[in-house]
Amino acid sequence: KQEVTQIPAALSVPEGENLVLNCSFTDSAIYNLQWFRQDPGKGLTSLLLIQSSQREQTSGRLNASLDKSSGRSTLYIAASQPGDSATYLCAVRPSAGNNRKLIWGLGTSLAVNP
Amino acid sequence: ETGVTQSPTHLIKTRGQQVTLRCSSQSGHNTVSWYQQALGQGPQFIFQYYREEENGRGNFPPRFSGLQFPNYSSELNVNALELDDSALYLCASGGSSTDTQYFGPGTRLTVL
Repeated sequence: KQEVTQIPAALSVPEGENLVLNCSFTDSAIYNLQWFRQDPGKGLTSLLLIQSSQREQTSGRLNASLDKSSGRSTLYIAASQPGDSATYLCAVRPSAGNNRKLIWGLGTSLAVNP
Repeated sequence: ETGVTQSPTHLIKTRGQQVTLRCSSQSGHNTVSWYQQALGQGPQFIFQYYREEENGRGNFPPRFSGLQFPNYSSELNVNALELDDSALYLCASGGSSTDTQYFGPGTRLTVL
């Protein structure tokens, strides 16, 4: 059974710091992995999608890497800003079994302090 | 903005009632998925529709049902509401089951 874990659960940093959020998954049979951002009480905004054949994706100050064999992904945020404060969730899409659904971690709650 | 809209934004119901939540998919997307997100948890997959047919379901009882219409808008119906159904309900649309999923803003359901 695929399980997704995110570490740390919460993170508080001063503005300007570079930071890394971690996501691990137990089954390497995945189509892709996606990072999302969720503001309090709001829906989910897709940040980056990494296909299983890819190693990393970049968008602006965000860089996501994927090591499928070790079951790990990291989201790197450069020069963090207060506007980055949100919960960051990663989700994997299995390539076996019920591949219609995304399987989610519980998220990392990030606070960037001015 | 993802182009995915949901209505209503908030809803309060009492136990035993029925509720219908609505989702309008992003243009060109023929797949819609519904998720339930309890407070402090990750989203849980309810089901997915592709071209008006359910083609995948999570561990939710039959009182959770759905519809997808020819214009790819979608409904989630929940009968016999229970207190534990209180959550944020999210719909997501995509061009195929393996593409990026675009989420709507969600409907916050409170069951009293």
